[in-house]
Amino acid sequence: QVQMQESGPGLVKPSQTLSLTCTVSGGSISSYDYYWSWIRQPAGKRLEWIGRVYTTGSTKYNPSLESRVTISLDTSKNQFSLNLNSVTAADTAVYYCARDHGDDDVSSWFDPWGQGTLVTVSS
Amino acid sequence: DIQMTQSPSSLSATVGDRVTITCRASQSISSYLHWYQQKPGTAPKLLIYQASRLQSGVPSRFSGGKSGTDFTLTISGLQPEDFATYFCQQSYNTPTFGQGTKVEIK
Repeated sequence: QVQMQESGPGLVKPSQTLSLTCTVSGGSISSYDYYWSWIRQPAGKRLEWIGRVYTTGSTKYNPSLESRVTISLDTSKNQFSLNLNSVTAADTAVYYCARDHGDDDVSSWFDPWGQGTLVTVSS
Repeated sequence: DIQMTQSPSSLSATVGDRVTITCRASQSISSYLHWYQQKPGTAPKLLIYQASRLQSGVPSRFSGGKSGTDFTLTISGLQPEDFATYFCQQSYNTPTFGQGTKVEIK
């Protein structure tokens, strides 16, 4: 079955860019049936959807983060990536990637998810 | 944004109990409501999608319901492996999540 695995630096300095990669195994990121999302959870807070990418490269972002986020995909590696620029301590969170069962208009349920990776923003 | 309010934030229960968790949406979201289970250090797991549809492989003791903008997740006959945190998510528009309900052993 499809599995997701996040990877990337666990520590990022304030004002720099947070970059994470999600590797998908057991299925193709080039599928026209799914979208690929990033979600985060700061400690003690609720989950927050960041954005998603489709196999065509089209993207949709949470308006609250849109000015700082870029999500892209690399079909040759079956990976998709998250870049979040100008980070502050408020961006410290566990970051998850997930397969999104949505359509062109909106995301839907997320399944499966990766185990998550903690990213701390600190100097 | 659509606000999702879960209750209770935590509960204590015994194996075999019937447990109900509620998620209230701040506006109508039709049946665009999904439930997940999360255990520490592991990936969230989809339990119920579109308010009442049981995800493949999920035990039938889990069920979902809807009444207006109130949604429920019921565990009928709590098992030891069910002690975890549960959260809801709406997909009517930009996805938002409930704050989670921690189910602990009494």
